[in-house]
Formats: sequence, structure tokens, C-alpha cells
Amino acid sequence: IVMTQSPLSLSVSPGEAASISCISSQSLLGSKGKSYLDWYLQKPGQTPQLLIYLSSTRASGVPDRFSGSGSGTDFTLRISRVEADDVGVYFCMQARQTPRTFGQGTKLEI
Amino acid sequence: ERQVVESGGGLAQPGGSLRLSCAASGFTFSSYEMNWVRQAPGKGLEWISSITSRSHDKNYVDSVRGRFIISRDDAKNSVFLQMSSLRVEDTAVYYCARGTLDTGRYYYYGLDVWGRGTTVTVS
Repeated sequence: IVMTQSPLSLSVSPGEAASISCISSQSLLGSKGKSYLDWYLQKPGQTPQLLIYLSSTRASGVPDRFSGSGSGTDFTLRISRVEADDVGVYFCMQARQTPRTFGQGTKLEI
Repeated sequence: ERQVVESGGGLAQPGGSLRLSCAASGFTFSSYEMNWVRQAPGKGLEWISSITSRSHDKNYVDSVRGRFIISRDDAKNSVFLQMSSLRVEDTAVYYCARGTLDTGRYYYYGLDVWGRGTTVTVS
């Protein structure tokens, strides 16, 4: 499954909203109507961290400024009020089937 | 605290071998699928392999299938990646990450625990 993110880079002022799109080449719908799509953030020099799983469920400790939406093949990560600490590269990943595949990444700058 | 710690990276020659280890703590290791994800210098993330709980299934990306072998030792709370026939393009930071919970039913919560990675250089 090919994952395509857009844009590949994004520059946002603090307090503004930001959105990242992720489109899969095949449907990610699995059992119970859930889409197996995750969002990860890799801050500069750090390990990737899970933000969202199953398209819209926030991982533990993730601020509610982050939200995920979408189903099937079309997904969006939205940050309602960007903060300086949100800089880094955002990746989507499909977990519907193996091999799991990541999008190219979207670099967020402030 | 739930954590995983990778080790075993280093410098290898093309055609050589390395064995990576990932030691887990703070959770019931045997109940979880474990994954390896790599990141080449300046590049994005690439999932390369996973092993389910009880080693029922092992999966690989095409670029490493036949060269890498994933295994686990639940008694040692560890997962391993035996890498052979290494290529220059295998140069990357290799991360271990926790995946699906298997309690007899499967529960997916994302790749929610990651290590800091171990660096493999093939040159």
C-alpha cells in the first residue's frame, strides 16, 4: 500500500491551525469499521512518537489540539493551535496489512 | 515505565552480518507483536519486519526478505533481528517498536513504545 502525504513541508505561525493530508492507495478499513491509519511525530533529533492510531484515537498524553479524521483511503491530521514544540516531521503509517508503509513525511516549521 | 532498548548496531562490511537486539521492560512482552523500523540518514521511516506474539507470524518488507530474520525470546523479554548479506543501503538507525496486543483477541493501539534506536553502518 502506497501512502502519499501532502504537503511535504508546512510553515505555520504560533496559534494558527495546520492540516496534513494522507492518502492510501488501498482502503485501510478493517474489522469493526476502523481504519488502520496512524500518525507519528518525529521531533528534531528524537525518536518517533505516536500521536493518533486507528485514524482518530489520540495516544496517551497527546494534547487535544491534535485530531485525526478520515476513513477508507483519505485521512487528515489537524493541529488546532500550533505551538513551537510541535516542530518536526509528521508521518502517517498504514497498519492494515504488511508490509506496513509510511508516508514520505511532512516537515512542520514555525 | 514501559520501554524498549536496542543494541547491537555498528560497522559492517557489505556482505557481512550483524545481530540487533531489543530488550523490553515494564510490560507483558510475550503478549505483544514487536516491530523493527529503520531510518536511513536524512530519510523517512521504513517498516522492515514484525513478529507476532508466540512467533505465530513473521513479516518482512521485500527489500530485506531472505536476508534478515526476526525472532524473539519471551523468557528474556527480547526481540532480535539477524541481518545477513548486508548492503550499503541497509545503513540506517534501526528502531524497535511495540505493536498489536494479543490476549486471544487482537487490540491495535499503534506503535506506541519506541526505543532510541541503534545505528548500523554498512561500508
